[in-house]
Amino acid sequence: DVKVTQSSRYLVKRTGEKVFLECVQDMDHENMFWYRQDPGLGLRLIYFSYDVKMKEKGDIPEGYSVSREKKERFSLILESASTNQTSMYLCASSDSTSGTNEKLFFGSGTQLSVL
Amino acid sequence: AQKVTQAQTEISVVEKEDVTLDCVYETRDTTYYLFWYKQPPSGELVFLIRRNSFDEQNEISGRYSWNFQKSTSSFNFTITASQVVDSAVYFCALSEAWGNAGKSTFGDGTTLTVKP
Repeated sequence: DVKVTQSSRYLVKRTGEKVFLECVQDMDHENMFWYRQDPGLGLRLIYFSYDVKMKEKGDIPEGYSVSREKKERFSLILESASTNQTSMYLCASSDSTSGTNEKLFFGSGTQLSVL
Repeated sequence: AQKVTQAQTEISVVEKEDVTLDCVYETRDTTYYLFWYKQPPSGELVFLIRRNSFDEQNEISGRYSWNFQKSTSSFNFTITASQVVDSAVYFCALSEAWGNAGKSTFGDGTTLTVKP
């Protein structure tokens, strides 16, 4: 069964901490994405990557960075967590070998609370 | 700019009722893709359907059906004979034709509650 795995389901951090959210996919997908989901705001794209060591900013990259050292792993980094980064974070991946707009596979999400 | 509107924030029905989730979109592109995803309480969004703007045929999959009307920029989703397991947040999304689904514009979601 294909999977996108996010390392933590719930995470509580303090303001100013450096936070790492990990995402691993086992489908050999080229494309990986990080979103945040907030009530009434849908999903907003933070960063994405189409290849190893490649990254591009999404719609709301401020306060975040990413790392993709291996094809299967895409990490989201909060350099100095703030309370307004309390949110549900979703990772997704997709295949690009079959063409454009292939469906997304999502992880179960990480609910991050910054106190 | 692209926009997806899911005007229904929350819907509550009783089991076995039919329910339609509305999705209205805005785009200047002539070619584009539309998606629906389901997010159950477990949190993981699950892909339901992808539709190319050239294909206006309605789609039926079991109890699920989708009505795509380009003239009204709508891509509505109907669940027939709803079940408690259909309770979830449903997202409609729009993507440019030569883009990537991961860069889709998502609606705010509709929370569907099906009561026994």
